[in-house]
Amino acid sequence: GQNIDQPTEMTATEGAIVQINCTYQTSGFNGLFWYQQHAGEAPTFLSYNVLDGLEEKGRFSSFLSRSKGYSYLLLKELQMKDSASYLCAVRDLPQAGTALIFGKGTTLSVSS
Amino acid sequence: EAQVTQNPRYLITVTGKKLTVTCSQNMNHEYMSWYRQDPGLGLRQIYYSMNVEVTDKGDVPEGYKVSRKEKRNFPLILESPSPNQTSLYFCASSPQQGAGSPLHFGNGTRLTVT
Repeated sequence: GQNIDQPTEMTATEGAIVQINCTYQTSGFNGLFWYQQHAGEAPTFLSYNVLDGLEEKGRFSSFLSRSKGYSYLLLKELQMKDSASYLCAVRDLPQAGTALIFGKGTTLSVSS
Repeated sequence: EAQVTQNPRYLITVTGKKLTVTCSQNMNHEYMSWYRQDPGLGLRQIYYSMNVEVTDKGDVPEGYKVSRKEKRNFPLILESPSPNQTSLYFCASSPQQGAGSPLHFGNGTRLTVT
């Protein structure tokens, strides 16, 4: 079966670093996406990993280990506006025009 | 501006009254999809379309219909809504080529069925 696991909730303080983990078990693997979603709003794309290693984009970085079925999203210098849900999603088929399998999301609360 | 547009943003209706949620994208994307999002369950795919006149069921298709007569539009139809279809709905699109192409989401439609 297809399964993507993330912690349900995390808390952190402004200025800190937080790591959100994602483990996946899918029939195929053609890339892993991270999305940010503020309450009641649309998910917005953060990052994509298809090869092992770290991808850095400003304050956000994403890591992938295909052999372990594991990814994490690292958020540095946390700001209040980073309070949101973070969704891990896997594309199991090789074509772009195919469904993403989503985890249930991790709700991050950033306090001052 | 490249975008996916859904309408309406909010909808309250009664059981059994047919409704349509519209979705339109201006990016010439081949792939379009509908998801529903419920607390504790995450995003679940309802239907998807790989191109004009090509549609298929996702994980939770019961009680929904879709059509893809034009590339830009992908309406979601609830023929006889029921309270268990109360949810937040998202339309999304992506190009067909390039496995790294992310899904682009519309702003969502919050549906309440009483």
